[in-house]
Amino acid sequence: QKEVEQNSGPLSVPEGAIASLNCTYSDRGSQSFFWYRQYSGKSPELIMSIYSNGDKEDGRFTAQLNKASQYVSLLIRDSQPSDSATYLCAVISGGYQKVTFGIGTKLQVIP
Amino acid sequence: DTGVSQNPRHKITKRGQNVTFRCDPISEHNRLYWYRQTLGQGPEFLTYFQNEAQLEKSRLLSDRFSAERPKGSFSTLEIQRTEQGDSAMYLCASSLVATQTRQYFGPGTRLTVT
Repeated sequence: QKEVEQNSGPLSVPEGAIASLNCTYSDRGSQSFFWYRQYSGKSPELIMSIYSNGDKEDGRFTAQLNKASQYVSLLIRDSQPSDSATYLCAVISGGYQKVTFGIGTKLQVIP
Repeated sequence: DTGVSQNPRHKITKRGQNVTFRCDPISEHNRLYWYRQTLGQGPEFLTYFQNEAQLEKSRLLSDRFSAERPKGSFSTLEIQRTEQGDSAMYLCASSLVATQTRQYFGPGTRLTVT
């Protein structure tokens, strides 16, 4: 079992719709959870972080965390073509704060 | 804050050669991470420094790979006797201990081994 699992996609949504990206993790002791956006050929860019159960909203982005289910998600409202990218879920666990990334979900927003 | 910088941005080398990459973190950041990313995969953790101490090294990192951060500032990643399977993007990230987790990534070094 991979430590952080994501569907690689592509996930296609029409412009203006809500995109829902999901991630599960295996280490129950994981402490911190992140969503990064990565455009092709570029390095990852942090867009959301979440540390406790529940929802966290920032503009059009909402991160949701459910530690009991070991599940974290990212919702993108009013999706724009510029949101088309790969979204990486990252989880931090362990004493040395090791960061483990998922494979990433490719999002395509269709104009 | 000039961001994390990496040099070179691209490196093409022949199999069997040694290569060295450099990462300059954000100046006040005391944590520095190296990752490797291949096409269609997420970044894969290689190693991590807090100041000059190398605190963790991935089991995936063979003996051909070595990293240093001699003065707790910039870091180098060396790959000896490169193999075609080493072709990847090598990413460096830095963070502050206080924030622990927010990592700032550099632009990466793309290595191609021919």
